[in-house]
Amino acid sequence: QKEVEQNSGPLSVPEGAIASLNCTYSDRGSQSFFWYRQYSGKSPELIMFIYSNGDKEDGRFTAQLNKASQYVSLLIRDSQPSDSATYLCAVKSGSSASKIIFGSGTRLSIRP
Amino acid sequence: DAGVTQSPTHLIKTRGQQVTLRCSPKSGHDTVSWYQQALGQGPQFIFQYYEEEERQRGNFPDRFSGHQFPNYSSELNVNALLLGDSALYLCACRGTRGDTQYFGPGTRLTVL
Repeated sequence: QKEVEQNSGPLSVPEGAIASLNCTYSDRGSQSFFWYRQYSGKSPELIMFIYSNGDKEDGRFTAQLNKASQYVSLLIRDSQPSDSATYLCAVKSGSSASKIIFGSGTRLSIRP
Repeated sequence: DAGVTQSPTHLIKTRGQQVTLRCSPKSGHDTVSWYQQALGQGPQFIFQYYEEEERQRGNFPDRFSGHQFPNYSSELNVNALLLGDSALYLCACRGTRGDTQYFGPGTRLTVL
């Protein structure tokens, strides 16, 4: 079992709709959770982080965390073509200081 | 972001050669982590430097080594290059908010 799992996609969503990206993790002791956006040929860009169960909203982005189910999600409201990218879920291992483990990413395509 | 810079942008080497990649965090950002990202995969943790010492290491062979200087800049060295070392090498520096890490633009290494 991979430590951080994501559906590779591609996930195709019409412009203006809500894109929902999901991630599961295996280490129950994980404390910190991150979503990065990566455009083709570029480095990952941090867009959200969440530490507590529940929802965290920032503009069009909402991160959701459920530690009991070991599940993290990212919602993107009013999806724009510029949101087309690979979204990486990352989890800080609970057993070490700052090692962050990444999933393989989900490719998101927003169709006009 | 952490204003992380990396050099060079691109590099082509042949099997068996050695390579040195460089990373400079924004002033005051003292923790540097290195990641390898193969095509279609998420970043894989190589190691982390803090106060000029390697603090954590991922599942990479001893051919991968590093160094951190007093000004917090860092180098990643890879010896005896293999074709499989071809990847995007990313440097990440700890941000000011909790466990957040911000990536530099990366170095694309191609081994022929």
